[in-house]
Amino acid sequence: RKEVEQDPGPFNVPEGATVAFNCTYSNSASQSFFWYRQDCRKEPKLLMSVYSSGNEDGRFTAQLNRASQYISLLIRDSKLSDSATYLCVVSGGATNKLIFGTGTLLAVQP
Amino acid sequence: NAGVTQTPKFQVLKTGQSMTLQCAQDMNHEYMSWYRQDPGMGLRLIHYSVGAGITDQGEVPNGYNVSRSTTEDFPLRLLSAAPSQTSVYFCASSRAGYGNTIYFGEGSWLTVV
Repeated sequence: RKEVEQDPGPFNVPEGATVAFNCTYSNSASQSFFWYRQDCRKEPKLLMSVYSSGNEDGRFTAQLNRASQYISLLIRDSKLSDSATYLCVVSGGATNKLIFGTGTLLAVQP
Repeated sequence: NAGVTQTPKFQVLKTGQSMTLQCAQDMNHEYMSWYRQDPGMGLRLIHYSVGAGITDQGEVPNGYNVSRSTTEDFPLRLLSAAPSQTSVYFCASSRAGYGNTIYFGEGSWLTVV
């Protein structure tokens, strides 16, 4: 079993749709959680950190459920520019070693 | 703002050749790391360093060497390239400790023929 698992997609949605991505992690000692965005042939970039209380940044909402070891990302009012791969990332040590999911591909259609 | 700089961006090697991927950061970050990204596998950690003079192995270290003689630089050496090392390589850096943002270089596309 992979340490971080994501549905690879692709998710094909129309502009304006709401889409949700899910992620599960296996290490209960994990401390930090993130969503990264990766455009085609580009480096990953931090989209948002994920906090236990849940957090929102504009159209993006992230949730963490430690009991179920589950992370989610909700994108409201999808834009064409949201098309990318979304990576669920977990870290659990002081050395900040990150474990990446394989990513979920989102394609927003006009 | 340079951030994390990787070179070269593209490289083709013959099996058995050696080469070094360069990585430099100008943010005075303690932590640096190298990942490879393959289709369907996600990013996998090759080697990492928590400071100058300190390196350690990640998930897939075989066939690669690293050194950290300065805070700024963290080169990745392929000792004897194999087709299985065809991949996209990303260097990353961050401040040490929990939850700090990791910044990636733009990637190096390596093909071994």
